[in-house]
Amino acid sequence: NAGVTQTPKFRILKIGQSMTLQCTQDMNHNYMYWYRQDPGMGLKLIYYSVGAGITDKGEVPNGYNVSRSTTEDFPLRLELAAPSQTSVYFCASSTWGGTGNTIYFGEGSWLTVV
Amino acid sequence: DAKTTQPPSMDCAEGRAANLPCNHSTISGNEYVYWYRQIHSQGPQYIIHGLKNNETNEMASLIITEDRKSSTLILPHATLRDTAVYYCIGTSGTYKYIFGTGTRLKVLA
Repeated sequence: NAGVTQTPKFRILKIGQSMTLQCTQDMNHNYMYWYRQDPGMGLKLIYYSVGAGITDKGEVPNGYNVSRSTTEDFPLRLELAAPSQTSVYFCASSTWGGTGNTIYFGEGSWLTVV
Repeated sequence: DAKTTQPPSMDCAEGRAANLPCNHSTISGNEYVYWYRQIHSQGPQYIIHGLKNNETNEMASLIITEDRKSSTLILPHATLRDTAVYYCIGTSGTYKYIFGTGTRLKVLA
């Protein structure tokens, strides 16, 4: 039972490069999220999706793009990486159970932009 | 979604109850209160949630005031492994969980 799987776990990017953080979940959850967490800070919502083909911006979407072509996958694209995007990125998923829902998080992807 | 306020840090002796407060004075009637914790830099872990009744599970108890403007997470017998950052979140949606800076709980031996 894998849950939420993120790849890669660690990555170093040069300024101006692009990359995609992959996220997949095997729980058939409708809702998926991307968060970033800077050192010593709380999590900030980047983008979220309520189902395949539907995405929306969170608190800090600038510099990122997402797509949701399947229920399972929710990749996060960084275009023109900047040092300010150095962070830990968490993907998460959830479903609605009528009496609230629980978010399940991946283990995180550590990204450094130099 | 409700804005939540938590103390930045707390200490608790091992074996004692840890009581973590959260203020959510802007919460609306259909918003749930969720608690998560984050150990080191791992992904946050779900603890408990509630709407207006007190809740208990194998990890913790959640006490919500009658006016729903605040809540307290209780870890009945804190262990060293409970040292973590605890987040209180208020949300009515099934999305847009907004995390604050949380309470850094340190359990002391």
